[in-house]
Amino acid sequence: AQSVTQPDIHITVSEGASLELRCNYSYGATPYLFWYVQSPGQGLQLLLKYFSGDTLVQGIKGFEAEFKRSQSSFNLRKPSVHWSDAAEYFCAVGATNNDMRFGAGTRLTVKP
Amino acid sequence: DGGITQSPKYLFRKEGQNVTLSCEQNLNHDAMYWYRQDPGQGLRLIYYSQIVNDFQKGDIAEGYSVSREKKESFPLTVTSAQKNPTAFYLCASRDTPGANVLTFGAGSRLTVL
Repeated sequence: AQSVTQPDIHITVSEGASLELRCNYSYGATPYLFWYVQSPGQGLQLLLKYFSGDTLVQGIKGFEAEFKRSQSSFNLRKPSVHWSDAAEYFCAVGATNNDMRFGAGTRLTVKP
Repeated sequence: DGGITQSPKYLFRKEGQNVTLSCEQNLNHDAMYWYRQDPGQGLRLIYYSQIVNDFQKGDIAEGYSVSREKKESFPLTVTSAQKNPTAFYLCASRDTPGANVLTFGAGSRLTVL
């Protein structure tokens, strides 16, 4: 069965610093991978997705993620964090949407 | 603008009462989903529906019921059989066939008093 692990429950970074959020997955074939962001009390918004092809994918709001098959990872990065990036971030994996699996989430705090 | 509307945003319920959460989409998406979100647990699938008049149980369907009489509507009823219903509930939809991308509503927070 597929699963997703986000090892970091909470991360704090200073505004302007770089960010990397970790995501490891377990899946038997090439997965579809996603990163979503959630502001407090809101739904989830898609940041980026990987289906195939170039393993470095670009998303909205300046985020990118790299698929590393050998490490079963799909880490999210941003070179310079803005205060508005404070939110909760979810990694998800799924080949069909009826079997989409979400990680537990990483809460990002941005220090001034 | 196309999207998913969930209502109410906040709902309070006494123990033993059934409540229904509304989910309406104007995206013309075929598939719709209900997720439950609890702190530190991510999202868990309650029910999903791929077409009208058909729906399937997800991982945590016990104590919940749904209907899909119209393509644009997928209401979720939290019954009194659900032992721990206090949570944030998210509705989502997906266009089929196509990319595996879910579009989410803004959520409904249910609190049992």
